[in-house]
Amino acid sequence: SQQGEEDPQALSIQEGENATMNCSYKTSINNLQWYRQNSGRGLVHLILIRSNEREKHSGRLRVTLDTSKKSSSLLITASRAADTASYFCATSQEDTGTASKLTFGTGTRLQVTL
Amino acid sequence: EPEVTQTPSHQVTQMGQEVILRCVPISNHLYFYWYRQILGQKVEFLVSFYNNEISEKSEIFDDQFSVERPDGSNFTLKIRSTKLEDSAMYFCASSKDRETSGANVLTFGAGSRLTVL
Repeated sequence: SQQGEEDPQALSIQEGENATMNCSYKTSINNLQWYRQNSGRGLVHLILIRSNEREKHSGRLRVTLDTSKKSSSLLITASRAADTASYFCATSQEDTGTASKLTFGTGTRLQVTL
Repeated sequence: EPEVTQTPSHQVTQMGQEVILRCVPISNHLYFYWYRQILGQKVEFLVSFYNNEISEKSEIFDDQFSVERPDGSNFTLKIRSTKLEDSAMYFCASSKDRETSGANVLTFGAGSRLTVL
C-alpha cells in the first residue's frame, strides 16, 4: 500500500451523525495533517497533529494518532451538509529538507445528506 | 484572509505546446510548492522551492518541468512540451516559517486545470 491511505474511500451519512475517517501510512513521520477539498477546489488545512501527540481537538474535529500502528483517524461530530467534501490525510517526514513536502493519501469522499 | 491565487483557472493546450501556470503565494510566506491531481486520483507532490532554489522535487518533475520566481510575488510552473498525461489540476501552495515542531502547514490555491489535447 502507499504512504497515506484513507478508508473508507466513500462515506455517506445523514446530517447530525458523526463521520469517522481513517488514514494509514508506512514511514516514520514528523507530523500528520488533515485537509479538506470541496469538489474542483483547492485543499484547505483542517488540523495538524505532531508525532508526539495522541489526540487533538478543533471545534467539531477530533484527530487521533497512533504511531505504533502508523494510523490516524479524523472524527467529525454532528455533521452538516456543508461538511460534504473529500478529506485527505497528509504526512510530513522528519526533516527531509528546508521545505518539508506533504505526502497525501487517497482521500475519503464524505457525503452528508439532509 | 490572505490567499494563494492561481492563473489561469483552466487552460486547454495542444500536445507539444509549452504552458506556464502562474501563482501568487501569500506575501510573507517563504516556502512554495507545486502539486498536481489527476482527475479522481491523489494529490501528488511535484516540487518545493525555498530561498530562490528548488528544495526538493519528485520523480514526476522531470526535465520538461521548471519553476521560477521571476519577481518578488509570482511563482511559475512551466511545462515545456506538454503530453496528454500532463492533463491534471495543478495546485500551488505556500507556507511560512516552519513551526517549532518542524511542521509546514500549506495554504493552497484553487488550482489551474490543464487539459492537453
